[in-house]
Amino acid sequence: GAGVSQSPSNKVTEKGKDVELRCDPISGHTALYWYRQSLGQGLEFLIYFQGNSAPDKSGLPSDRFSAERTGGSVSTLTIQRTQQEDSAVYLCASSPPTSSLRETQYFGPGTRLLVL
Amino acid sequence: SQQGEEDPQALSIQEGENATMNCSYKTSINNLQWYRQNSGRGLVHLILIRSNEREKHSGRLRVTLDTSKKSSSLLITASRAADTASYFCATAGGTSYGKLTFGQGTILTVHP
Repeated sequence: GAGVSQSPSNKVTEKGKDVELRCDPISGHTALYWYRQSLGQGLEFLIYFQGNSAPDKSGLPSDRFSAERTGGSVSTLTIQRTQQEDSAVYLCASSPPTSSLRETQYFGPGTRLLVL
Repeated sequence: SQQGEEDPQALSIQEGENATMNCSYKTSINNLQWYRQNSGRGLVHLILIRSNEREKHSGRLRVTLDTSKKSSSLLITASRAADTASYFCATAGGTSYGKLTFGQGTILTVHP
């Protein structure tokens, strides 16, 4: 079946602009995660959605970052007033509801964001 | 901040040789996972070992976990050029299964 998809693949923006990154999880997966990967910080957890529970936002680096998940499926990560340090690859992952499998995360190809 | 420390940072071997990568972590965990990444893009899950397990095998992969030393190792036997990639360990701890904490990764190059 189809894997996790992310769009756009690449995004170049100017400092100060807002960007929206989209993630389509695997159908039927109830958990959705966002991470970012940058040269200086490695792979960092950003936010985690699980079903109808309140999301775990503990990894969001500032209030310029927000994410929502509509209808328990598609998620959008929004970065407002982008800064050059936001340049990174943003990775989305999802996992199925079965408890024993929930721990395995299936990653999308990522969105490479460059802030000029 | 990254919980996991991996070594070596880079490993270069010939096809057919074994590759061993190590990972250390700092806090208690529910499980430890290894992922592979090609060309800086999406990660592929390789293997998961739970905190009450000591060793696990999957094909040419062998993972060990020593919770007393807070360390794990990934062994790839009979390596192939196609195994060239970055390898990351990730830990899941507490009640939040969703929050994986990744190591810095090992860049493996397998020469044909």
